[in-house]
Amino acid sequence: AQSVTQLDSQVPVFEEAPVELRCNYSSSVSVYLFWYVQYPNQGLQLLLKYLSGSTLVKGINGFEAEFNKSQTSFHLRKPSVHISDTAEYFCAVGRMDSSYKLIFGSGTRLLVRP
Amino acid sequence: GAGVSQSPRYKVTKRGQDVALRCDPISGHVSLYWYRQALGQGPEFLTYFNYEAQQDKSGLPNDRFSAERPEGSISTLTIQRTEQRDSAMYRCASSLVGDRYTDTQYFGPGTRLTVL
Repeated sequence: AQSVTQLDSQVPVFEEAPVELRCNYSSSVSVYLFWYVQYPNQGLQLLLKYLSGSTLVKGINGFEAEFNKSQTSFHLRKPSVHISDTAEYFCAVGRMDSSYKLIFGSGTRLLVRP
Repeated sequence: GAGVSQSPRYKVTKRGQDVALRCDPISGHVSLYWYRQALGQGPEFLTYFNYEAQQDKSGLPNDRFSAERPEGSISTLTIQRTEQRDSAMYRCASSLVGDRYTDTQYFGPGTRLTVL
């Protein structure tokens, strides 16, 4: 079975500061990795995904994530956050043989303060 | 074009009542998914359709839950004899083709179900 752990339920950060949201996963099979963002009263929106190849993945809104197979991690980073980045961020995995079935972490709320 | 829409956005019902939640996917999307999201948790997979065929219903918690997509477009998730533990956000997503890892799932805004 697969599982996703997002240890930080909330991350407060000042505007223009860098941020890292942590995601660790466990799986007995190869997986694809995703980060989704949820703004208030909206659906989840895909930020980026890792399928194969380069371990550094760039997404929308200046976010990037690095896949580390040995540490089974897929941390999300942004060098300088904006107030508008305040949202809930979800890490997810999908088995390579059934990638439609996403397993989500519990989410991290990013709170950007002026 | 329009994104995934869900209705109603909020539903309050009494324990024991049946509820039907509707999902209207993005036009042309073949695959449709239902997820349930409890407060403070990430979405949890319920079921998946390709066209009108229900390909995977392994996430449906019990036989009170059912879903259909009769014409391969709009889908309905039905919960019979609702219980308080069914209270959650129910999210629908759609994608062009579900069995390709390059496919992106587009999520709707969800239906907040409260069972009193």
